[in-house]
Amino acid sequence: DVKVTQSSRYLVKRTGEKVFLECVQDMDHENMFWYRQDPGLGLRLIYFSYDVKMKEKGDIPEGYSVSREKKERFSLILESASTNQTSMYLCASSLLEGNSNQPQHFGDGTRLSIL
Amino acid sequence: SQKIEQNSEALNIQEGKTATLTCNYTNYSPAYLQWYRQDPGRGPVFLLLIRENEKEKRKERLKVTFDTTLKQSLFHITASQPADSATYLCALDGMNTGFQKLVFGTGTRLLVSP
Repeated sequence: DVKVTQSSRYLVKRTGEKVFLECVQDMDHENMFWYRQDPGLGLRLIYFSYDVKMKEKGDIPEGYSVSREKKERFSLILESASTNQTSMYLCASSLLEGNSNQPQHFGDGTRLSIL
Repeated sequence: SQKIEQNSEALNIQEGKTATLTCNYTNYSPAYLQWYRQDPGRGPVFLLLIRENEKEKRKERLKVTFDTTLKQSLFHITASQPADSATYLCALDGMNTGFQKLVFGTGTRLLVSP
Protein backbone atom coordinates (compact mmCIF):
# COMPACT_ATOMS: atom_id res chain seq x y z
CA ASP A 1 0.00 0.00 0.00
CA VAL A 2 1.13 3.53 -0.77
CA LYS A 3 2.03 5.53 2.26
CA VAL A 4 2.09 9.30 2.21
CA THR A 5 3.41 10.77 5.45
CA GLN A 6 3.02 14.37 6.50
CA SER A 7 5.43 15.50 9.17
CA SER A 8 2.93 17.08 11.57
CA ARG A 9 -0.75 16.49 12.27
CA TYR A 10 -1.15 19.82 14.09
CA LEU A 11 0.96 22.96 13.89
CA VAL A 12 0.58 26.40 15.45
CA LYS A 13 2.66 29.29 14.13
CA ARG A 14 2.70 33.05 14.40
CA THR A 15 1.96 35.65 11.74
CA GLY A 16 5.05 36.47 9.70
CA GLU A 17 6.87 33.21 10.44
CA LYS A 18 8.30 31.08 7.65
CA VAL A 19 6.56 27.70 7.84
CA PHE A 20 7.68 24.40 6.35
CA LEU A 21 5.29 21.49 5.77
CA GLU A 22 6.94 18.22 4.78
CA CYS A 23 5.54 15.27 2.85
CA VAL A 24 7.17 11.94 2.03
CA GLN A 25 5.81 9.10 -0.12
CA ASP A 26 7.21 5.60 -0.31
CA MET A 27 5.94 4.33 -3.68
CA ASP A 28 8.27 6.03 -6.16
CA HIS A 29 5.44 8.19 -7.53
CA GLU A 30 6.43 10.89 -9.99
CA ASN A 31 3.57 13.28 -9.19
CA MET A 32 3.14 15.04 -5.88
CA PHE A 33 0.57 17.64 -4.90
CA TRP A 34 -0.20 20.12 -2.16
CA TYR A 35 -3.81 21.08 -1.43
CA ARG A 36 -5.55 23.10 1.21
CA GLN A 37 -9.04 22.17 2.38
CA ASP A 38 -11.44 24.68 3.85
CA PRO A 39 -15.12 24.23 4.81
CA GLY A 40 -17.41 24.94 1.87
CA LEU A 41 -14.49 25.34 -0.55
CA GLY A 42 -13.28 21.78 -0.83
CA LEU A 43 -9.76 20.85 -1.86
CA ARG A 44 -7.87 23.51 -3.76
CA LEU A 45 -4.58 22.80 -5.49
CA ILE A 46 -1.68 24.98 -4.36
CA TYR A 47 1.26 23.43 -6.23
CA PHE A 48 2.03 20.32 -8.21
CA SER A 49 5.30 18.58 -9.10
CA TYR A 50 5.75 15.89 -11.76
CA ASP A 51 9.47 15.34 -11.28
CA VAL A 52 12.41 16.29 -9.11
CA LYS A 53 13.02 20.05 -9.20
CA MET A 54 9.93 20.53 -11.41
CA LYS A 55 6.89 22.41 -10.14
CA GLU A 56 3.71 23.95 -11.48
CA LYS A 57 1.39 26.46 -9.87
CA GLY A 58 -2.04 25.28 -8.96
CA ASP A 59 -5.12 27.40 -8.45
CA ILE A 60 -3.99 29.28 -5.33
CA PRO A 61 -0.17 29.55 -5.25
CA GLU A 62 0.05 33.07 -3.82
CA GLY A 63 1.94 33.17 -0.54
CA TYR A 64 3.34 29.67 -1.00
CA SER A 65 6.38 28.05 -2.56
CA VAL A 66 7.48 24.42 -2.89
CA SER A 67 10.64 22.39 -3.03
CA ARG A 68 11.26 18.94 -4.52
CA GLU A 69 14.90 18.03 -4.20
CA LYS A 70 14.27 14.27 -3.98
CA LYS A 71 11.60 12.20 -5.68
CA GLU A 72 10.01 11.02 -2.46
CA ARG A 73 9.84 14.39 -0.69
CA PHE A 74 7.74 17.46 -1.46
CA SER A 75 7.84 20.47 0.84
CA LEU A 76 5.38 23.33 1.07
CA ILE A 77 6.71 26.66 2.32
CA LEU A 78 4.67 29.55 3.64
CA GLU A 79 7.04 32.43 3.08
CA SER A 80 5.45 34.76 5.63
CA ALA A 81 2.50 33.13 7.34
CA SER A 82 -0.75 35.04 7.56
CA THR A 83 -3.98 34.26 9.41
CA ASN A 84 -5.81 33.51 6.16
CA GLN A 85 -3.47 30.57 5.67
CA THR A 86 -5.00 28.79 8.66
CA SER A 87 -6.30 25.60 7.08
CA MET A 88 -5.98 21.84 6.65
CA TYR A 89 -3.10 21.06 4.29
CA LEU A 90 -3.11 17.79 2.40
CA CYS A 91 -0.29 16.21 0.42
CA ALA A 92 -0.92 13.60 -2.28
CA SER A 93 1.05 11.53 -4.76
CA SER A 94 0.23 9.62 -7.93
CA LEU A 95 1.88 7.69 -10.73
CA LEU A 96 2.74 9.41 -13.96
CA GLU A 97 1.40 7.00 -16.56
CA GLY A 98 1.09 8.51 -20.02
CA ASN A 99 -2.24 10.03 -20.87
CA SER A 100 -4.20 8.44 -18.08
CA ASN A 101 -5.74 9.70 -14.92
CA GLN A 102 -4.24 7.94 -11.92
CA PRO A 103 -5.70 7.86 -8.41
CA GLN A 104 -4.13 10.17 -5.89
CA HIS A 105 -2.94 8.87 -2.53
CA PHE A 106 -3.27 11.31 0.34
CA GLY A 107 -1.59 11.85 3.66
CA ASP A 108 -3.70 12.51 6.73
CA GLY A 109 -3.14 16.23 6.59
CA THR A 110 -1.60 18.95 8.71
CA ARG A 111 -4.00 21.24 10.52
CA LEU A 112 -2.15 24.55 10.57
CA SER A 113 -3.21 27.47 12.74
CA ILE A 114 -1.64 30.88 12.26
CA LEU A 115 -2.07 33.19 15.26
CA SER B 1 -14.85 27.99 -15.87
CA GLN B 2 -15.48 24.36 -14.96
CA LYS B 3 -17.76 23.78 -12.03
CA ILE B 4 -18.40 20.63 -10.00
CA GLU B 5 -21.48 20.38 -7.79
CA GLN B 6 -22.17 17.92 -5.04
CA ASN B 7 -25.08 18.21 -2.66
CA SER B 8 -23.81 20.13 0.35
CA GLU B 9 -26.59 18.83 2.57
CA ALA B 10 -25.90 15.61 4.42
CA LEU B 11 -27.66 12.47 3.23
CA ASN B 12 -29.25 10.49 6.06
CA ILE B 13 -30.30 6.91 5.39
CA GLN B 14 -31.06 3.77 7.34
CA GLU B 15 -28.76 0.80 7.48
CA GLY B 16 -29.41 -1.70 4.70
CA LYS B 17 -30.74 0.88 2.24
CA THR B 18 -28.97 2.07 -0.91
CA ALA B 19 -27.28 5.45 -0.70
CA THR B 20 -27.09 7.48 -3.91
CA LEU B 21 -24.82 10.51 -4.17
CA THR B 22 -24.74 12.89 -7.11
CA CYS B 23 -21.93 14.75 -8.83
CA ASN B 24 -22.81 17.27 -11.56
CA TYR B 25 -20.38 19.24 -13.64
CA THR B 26 -20.65 22.08 -16.15
CA ASN B 27 -18.51 23.82 -18.75
CA TYR B 28 -16.33 20.80 -19.20
CA SER B 29 -16.11 17.30 -20.66
CA PRO B 30 -13.80 15.25 -18.43
CA ALA B 31 -12.16 12.09 -19.68
CA TYR B 32 -12.12 10.57 -16.18
CA LEU B 33 -14.07 10.85 -12.99
CA GLN B 34 -12.97 9.57 -9.59
CA TRP B 35 -14.70 9.08 -6.25
CA TYR B 36 -13.00 9.37 -2.86
CA ARG B 37 -14.05 8.78 0.72
CA GLN B 38 -12.92 11.11 3.50
CA ASP B 39 -13.31 10.47 7.21
CA PRO B 40 -13.11 13.34 9.74
CA GLY B 41 -9.51 14.43 10.33
CA ARG B 42 -8.15 12.12 7.63
CA GLY B 43 -7.07 12.48 4.02
CA PRO B 44 -9.31 11.32 1.16
CA VAL B 45 -9.05 7.67 0.13
CA PHE B 46 -9.52 6.63 -3.49
CA LEU B 47 -12.52 4.38 -4.20
CA LEU B 48 -13.30 4.16 -7.91
CA LEU B 49 -12.31 5.62 -11.28
CA ILE B 50 -14.57 5.65 -14.34
CA ARG B 51 -13.65 6.68 -17.87
CA GLU B 52 -15.83 8.72 -20.23
CA ASN B 53 -16.44 5.70 -22.45
CA GLU B 54 -17.62 3.58 -19.49
CA LYS B 55 -21.22 3.82 -18.41
CA GLU B 56 -20.88 1.96 -15.14
CA LYS B 57 -18.22 0.59 -12.77
CA ARG B 58 -18.65 -1.69 -9.77
CA LYS B 59 -16.54 -2.66 -6.80
CA GLU B 60 -18.10 -4.82 -4.12
CA ARG B 61 -21.06 -2.79 -2.74
CA LEU B 62 -20.09 0.33 -4.70
CA LYS B 63 -21.38 1.32 -8.12
CA VAL B 64 -20.56 4.43 -10.15
CA THR B 65 -22.29 5.64 -13.29
CA PHE B 66 -21.06 8.30 -15.68
CA ASP B 67 -23.52 10.04 -18.00
CA THR B 68 -21.63 12.41 -20.28
CA THR B 69 -24.86 13.66 -21.86
CA LEU B 70 -26.35 14.71 -18.51
CA LYS B 71 -22.87 15.68 -17.24
CA GLN B 72 -23.50 13.68 -14.13
CA SER B 73 -22.08 10.84 -12.10
CA LEU B 74 -24.04 8.83 -9.55
CA PHE B 75 -22.33 6.96 -6.71
CA HIS B 76 -24.29 4.14 -5.10
CA ILE B 77 -23.58 2.19 -1.93
CA THR B 78 -25.85 -0.84 -1.62
CA ALA B 79 -26.70 -2.51 1.69
CA SER B 80 -25.27 0.51 3.50
CA GLN B 81 -23.70 0.15 6.94
CA PRO B 82 -22.97 2.68 9.70
CA ALA B 83 -19.28 2.24 8.82
CA ASP B 84 -20.05 3.80 5.42
CA SER B 85 -20.72 7.12 7.16
CA ALA B 86 -18.19 9.59 5.75
CA THR B 87 -17.87 12.44 3.26
CA TYR B 88 -17.68 11.37 -0.38
CA LEU B 89 -15.84 13.52 -2.91
CA CYS B 90 -16.00 13.37 -6.68
CA ALA B 91 -13.06 14.58 -8.75
CA LEU B 92 -12.50 15.24 -12.44
CA ASP B 93 -9.34 15.59 -14.46
CA GLY B 94 -8.64 19.30 -14.73
CA MET B 95 -9.67 21.11 -17.90
CA ASN B 96 -6.74 21.89 -20.17
CA THR B 97 -4.25 20.76 -17.55
CA GLY B 98 -3.62 17.23 -18.71
CA PHE B 99 -4.62 14.13 -16.88
CA GLN B 100 -2.37 14.45 -13.90
CA LYS B 101 -4.37 17.01 -11.95
CA LEU B 102 -7.78 16.64 -10.36
CA VAL B 103 -10.48 19.16 -9.58
CA PHE B 104 -12.53 18.15 -6.54
CA GLY B 105 -16.13 18.77 -5.58
CA THR B 106 -16.85 19.93 -2.04
CA GLY B 107 -18.23 16.54 -1.05
CA THR B 108 -21.45 15.13 0.36
CA ARG B 109 -21.64 13.81 3.91
CA LEU B 110 -23.38 10.44 4.26
CA LEU B 111 -24.83 9.36 7.63
CA VAL B 112 -26.02 5.76 7.92
CA SER B 113 -28.14 5.08 11.00
CA PRO B 114 -28.37 1.63 12.60
